[in-house]
Amino acid sequence: DVKVTQSSRYLVKRTGEKVFLECVQDMDHENMFWYRQDPGLGLRLIYFSYDVKMKEKGDIPEGYSVSREKKERFSLILESASTNQTSMYLCASRTFYGYTFGSGTRLTVV
Amino acid sequence: DAKTTQPPSMDCAEGRAANLPCNHSTISGNEYVYWYRQIHSQGPQYIIHGLKNNETNEMASLIITEDRKSSTLILPHATLRDTAVYYCIVRVAYTGNQFYFGTGTSLTVIP
Repeated sequence: DVKVTQSSRYLVKRTGEKVFLECVQDMDHENMFWYRQDPGLGLRLIYFSYDVKMKEKGDIPEGYSVSREKKERFSLILESASTNQTSMYLCASRTFYGYTFGSGTRLTVV
Repeated sequence: DAKTTQPPSMDCAEGRAANLPCNHSTISGNEYVYWYRQIHSQGPQYIIHGLKNNETNEMASLIITEDRKSSTLILPHATLRDTAVYYCIVRVAYTGNQFYFGTGTSLTVIP
């Protein structure tokens, strides 16, 4: 089975900090995605990547950037964390049938 | 991608079959129906998908109507661990950028 691993389950960061969320997949998939999930809003796509060093903006990229230096790793970066970025962040890798998601990182910005 | 409509919530008695409906009246000929579920505080998990034939796997069955405008996900013997939000998504398979998850159906399995 494909495994998508997110480095942290829970994070608490201060306003203005630079935050790195890491995601690793073990099946050599080209496509990887970062979503955030908020109550009542569902899953919203932040960024995705088709291949190493390639990235595309999703629906809500403002305040975020990404890095894909190696095929297995896709990092989400909050350049200067703000309280409205408190959310559940979900990484996914695209398989033959659709997505495999990581367990999520619940980020709280105080 | 075609839009889907699901009831916001459902209950099911433990051990009984859970039948989760989804309407997708604008589905086009090359769009598949996918089902995912999300257990609280975890990432969504793939369950099953189909084009027009009924499908079954170890987790569930998917029944698609002949006109493909609606489908039903069946969990044959619901357990407490099936309590989750279930998402029905339609889109062209193996292409495109993302799946749109919507708000799904919150299924509660009652002991």
